[in-house]
Amino acid sequence: GQNIDQPTEMTATEGAIVQINCTYQTSGFNGLFWYQQHAGEAPTFLSYNVLDGLEEKGRFSSFLSRSKGYSYLLLKELQMKDSASYLCAVRSSNDYKLSFGAGTTVTVRA
Amino acid sequence: EAGVTQFPSHSVIEKGQTVTLRCDPISGHDNLYWYRRVMGKEIKFLLHFVKESKQDESGMPNNRFLAERTGGTYSTLKVQPAELEDSGVYFCASSLQMGQQQFFGPGTRLTVL
Repeated sequence: GQNIDQPTEMTATEGAIVQINCTYQTSGFNGLFWYQQHAGEAPTFLSYNVLDGLEEKGRFSSFLSRSKGYSYLLLKELQMKDSASYLCAVRSSNDYKLSFGAGTTVTVRA
Repeated sequence: EAGVTQFPSHSVIEKGQTVTLRCDPISGHDNLYWYRRVMGKEIKFLLHFVKESKQDESGMPNNRFLAERTGGTYSTLKVQPAELEDSGVYFCASSLQMGQQQFFGPGTRLTVL
């Protein structure tokens, strides 16, 4: 099975940087995904890591350490529209289903 | 290109009734997944179709849940009879091939009274 932990809530100021950590314990690993979900909307794909290291995509970056079972999502130059829930999800190597953390609600304040 | 769509967006039913949720994946996506999020918990996998075949249904909670994908296009998820603990948001996702990015629909919020 999978055990995925991430903080419940984070608050930051517009223009600042926020780092959302995710730790996981899995029976098999075949990639880690970050999704953004605004209330009442579909989770939308942000990033994917399968090898160790940092993946950068504009204001968002994601890091993975497989040996530590650890990832983080870094949001830079925060904007009000970044207020949302951020979901960490791990894909098993045995099948292709995703196992999700409970999500981190990020609130961006002016 | 249209994304994954789900119908209805909300459903309120009484315990013991039947509800059918529908998912239309992105056109051409052979892989279709159902997930659900019950109150305060994480999103959990229910099952995975490859075309019309059930690839993995290990997450289905019990035999009150029946998923179908006749013809390999849209899918339905029927709950019969519904129980209070079935309340939550049911998400559908699709991908072109197994292992590729899954695109999610907006979900159906089911409330069982």
